[in-house]
Amino acid sequence: GENVEQHPSTLSVQEGDSAVIKCTYSDSASNYFPWYKQELGKRPQLIIDIRSNVGEKKDQRIAVTLNKTAKHFSLHITETQPEDSAVYFCAASIRGTYKYIFGTGTRLKVLA
Amino acid sequence: DTGVSQNPRHKITKRGQNVTFRCDPISEHNRLYWYRQTLGQGPEFLTYFQNEAQLEKSRLLSDRFSAERPKGSFSTLEIQRTEQGDSAMYLCASSRDLDRRPETQYFGPGTRLLVL
Repeated sequence: GENVEQHPSTLSVQEGDSAVIKCTYSDSASNYFPWYKQELGKRPQLIIDIRSNVGEKKDQRIAVTLNKTAKHFSLHITETQPEDSAVYFCAASIRGTYKYIFGTGTRLKVLA
Repeated sequence: DTGVSQNPRHKITKRGQNVTFRCDPISEHNRLYWYRQTLGQGPEFLTYFQNEAQLEKSRLLSDRFSAERPKGSFSTLEIQRTEQGDSAMYLCASSRDLDRRPETQYFGPGTRLLVL
């Protein structure tokens, strides 16, 4: 069935260090992979996305890599700042319906 | 604010009562999605509309749940005979269909339901 696994569930890093969150998807028909940041009590906000015809995408301190063969994708945040602290969700969009299957989330804490 | 809006933001109800939530998507967006999020979990897909047509419903959506998007603009999600297990955050998202490929879904602030 359709499933997205996300690891780790919690991640603590020192300010200025890098953070990496990994996701694995099951449906080979997935062709779009967004990452959302959700702060406590707020809506999920898109931070970066990648399509299946691209291997890597970068936006300032944030990058996403995709390995279609292995069916996994990763979020990389460099030079972390306290305001990066939040829950991050990966998702995979299923071709045809375009619904998202979300991972279970990673709570990132950036320690000052 | 031209983003996705949802009302009410919070709803407390007693078990067995009916509740209805509203979602107003971004105006030019023709796709509208409903998700449910429980504490510590990612959003789970419930159903989605393309214009006024409801094209898919999750197995999570029991027959107590019904969603409509009568004019292809706002949508309502109704839960009949609420149960304590229905307590969750109900999120709405919208996107614009371009060339039949997935596009970014923009989320509303959600409606937090508590069933006592």
